[in-house]
Amino acid sequence: EAQVTQNPRYLITVTGKKLTVTCSQNMNHEYMSWYRQDPGLGLRQIYYSMNVEVTDKGDVPEGYKVSRKEKRNFPLILESPSPNQTSLYFCASSLRQFGANVLTFGAGSRLTVL
Amino acid sequence: SQKIEQNSEALNIQEGKTATLTCNYTNYSPAYLQWYRQDPGRGPVFLLLIRENEKEKRKERLKVTFDTTLKQSLFHITASQPADSATYLCALEWTGANNLFFGTGTRLTVIP
Repeated sequence: EAQVTQNPRYLITVTGKKLTVTCSQNMNHEYMSWYRQDPGLGLRQIYYSMNVEVTDKGDVPEGYKVSRKEKRNFPLILESPSPNQTSLYFCASSLRQFGANVLTFGAGSRLTVL
Repeated sequence: SQKIEQNSEALNIQEGKTATLTCNYTNYSPAYLQWYRQDPGRGPVFLLLIRENEKEKRKERLKVTFDTTLKQSLFHITASQPADSATYLCALEWTGANNLFFGTGTRLTVIP
């Protein structure tokens, strides 16, 4: 089944404890992206990757890192999490359809930073 | 900067009626406008895409219109069913941008 898989789905951590949220897709998509979703603010892009070893900042990149060493994987790294990074995170990958970025999303990772 | 507004946070309608959701934007028209459905605890799922030079797109009970003069897209669900209850997100993509910009969504409830 074509899908984007994120782990963990739920995580509670403490301020300053490094964590990684993994993301993997099995559709051979070149484009991958991370979003966070907060009430009243909607989905905001954190980082994206056009292909292996090509990453760039989205709208809210502060406090996050990413890497794209393989086409299928795009982990999100929080080096020193803070409470304002408590959020629902989505990984997505894209196949360009008719020129547009049509996203396939993972199920989400709910992160709480105490 | 661009602003994307979806008309209301929540919309309740009676089963069988047509639901109409609105997505308004400022400044430049996007090259593509998409609609996604999001159920509680799940990721958004793509529904429909419409291009800047298209006026209308249909898929089964769904219809999307795109009016670049009004800077607005309308999303219609005809013969609505309780199973259509979800949050619907519009997403805009401008030429040369590597990002989809999302509205905050409208939570639709179809009452049996």
